[in-house]
Amino acid sequence: QVQLVQSGAEVKKPGSSVKVSCKTSGITLSIYATSWVRQAPGQGLEWMGGIIPISGIANYAQKFLGRVTISTDESTGTAYMELSSLRSDDTAVYYCASAYILARGVIIGDYWGQGTLVTVSS
Amino acid sequence: EVVLRQSPGTLSLSPGERATLSCRASQSVSSYFLAWYQQKPGQAPRLLIYSASTRATGIPDRFSGSGSGTDFTLTISRLEPEDFAVYYCQQYGSSRRTFGQGTKVEIK
Repeated sequence: QVQLVQSGAEVKKPGSSVKVSCKTSGITLSIYATSWVRQAPGQGLEWMGGIIPISGIANYAQKFLGRVTISTDESTGTAYMELSSLRSDDTAVYYCASAYILARGVIIGDYWGQGTLVTVSS
Repeated sequence: EVVLRQSPGTLSLSPGERATLSCRASQSVSSYFLAWYQQKPGQAPRLLIYSASTRATGIPDRFSGSGSGTDFTLTISRLEPEDFAVYYCQQYGSSRRTFGQGTKVEIK
């Protein structure tokens, strides 16, 4: 059974950083494309960035370049997302998502964490 | 980055009716890498369709996807009560994935 379990809710001050973890089980993280997606209150889904399987190279949405770092620890099967210089409009639920994607975009498995609420407030 | 625009923003329909949701891309997207997700309040998104037209495991056949190039469509042939939710398209072929802004399917 595949599970992605994220760390708990966070309350942060503007200007600080937050690091959210995503502990996976039942998958081999190195061969899954793991992304981080956020959703501000009442808003849509926003892709922040992700890790390319096998290579471990991270790609980031233009909007978050220089402010977000996504990484994985294959020894523990855990993915991380760190967002710095937090602002009030970074208040959102942050999801990790892992997918096993074959050639021609065939998605064999698509799994999501439960979400982590990050609140940025002074 | 590829911008995906979904329409309409909200679709008001009754159970049993047909829903047609549109997703238009700012540049051509390989149909191999276009997905649709369903999200209900308080839940993580659920994959419905990948490669533009292939249903994910366990997805009922009332859901179908089509399209190519810059225009893609998600069709729900007969709405069931559990289908009222928000739907997002996503392209996952480029190094920077993007989502559409979503279409809410609400009960009329």
